[in-house]
Amino acid sequence: DSGVTQTPKHLITATGQRVTLRCSPRSGDLSVYWYQQSLDQGLQFLIQYYNGEERAKGNILERFSAQQFPDLHSELNLSSLELGDSALYFCASSALDSSPYGYTFGSGTRLTVV
Amino acid sequence: AQSVTQPDIHITVSEGASLELRCNYSYGATPYLFWYVQSPGQGLQLLLKYFSGDTLVQGIKGFEAEFKRSQSSFNLRKPSVHWSDAAEYFCAVGASNAGNMLTFGGGTRLMVKP
Repeated sequence: DSGVTQTPKHLITATGQRVTLRCSPRSGDLSVYWYQQSLDQGLQFLIQYYNGEERAKGNILERFSAQQFPDLHSELNLSSLELGDSALYFCASSALDSSPYGYTFGSGTRLTVV
Repeated sequence: AQSVTQPDIHITVSEGASLELRCNYSYGATPYLFWYVQSPGQGLQLLLKYFSGDTLVQGIKGFEAEFKRSQSSFNLRKPSVHWSDAAEYFCAVGASNAGNMLTFGGGTRLMVKP
């Protein structure tokens, strides 16, 4: 157990729908990062939050949004889902607002859009 | 912007044989370098990391990696591979800038022959 908790582990939904993925960071970590892992794109950084504030944005679609709550858990919202959004979505956390010590990853949420 | 290249998509080695996985990075300053391992259906686990100092770093599970600035490389090695090492390995580069995320290579899938 890495200490980073992601729910749900699996999600199957239809095109056009909206889903919410949840992440609880490791105790004491203030930064949360979201990554998308797909066969064709590899591991792509989506977005980072630090202590409730958005810090960095990567290749995140406008249909996707995220937030970090006062208790530091984070949610990634995916809307108007398309078949191509099917992927493994990882949350990672770190203590700092940067990456020098690496991240701790959760086990991911596998999203299948049908 | 930083980038990481893992030239080998697949590698097959025999159990007990030595292993070297290649990683080349591109970054303007001194990078922070990482190797992660991902077993099927699992999240990414940190194997080792390099910040500064000794260019040969030791990690978990008997792995080591060597930072070579002149070659912009950070290759992962293990003297004797075990069947349980079969997994996907990711090299990543980061920096100390606030809001700087890890950038991952495309991964190398390791298969171990009995």
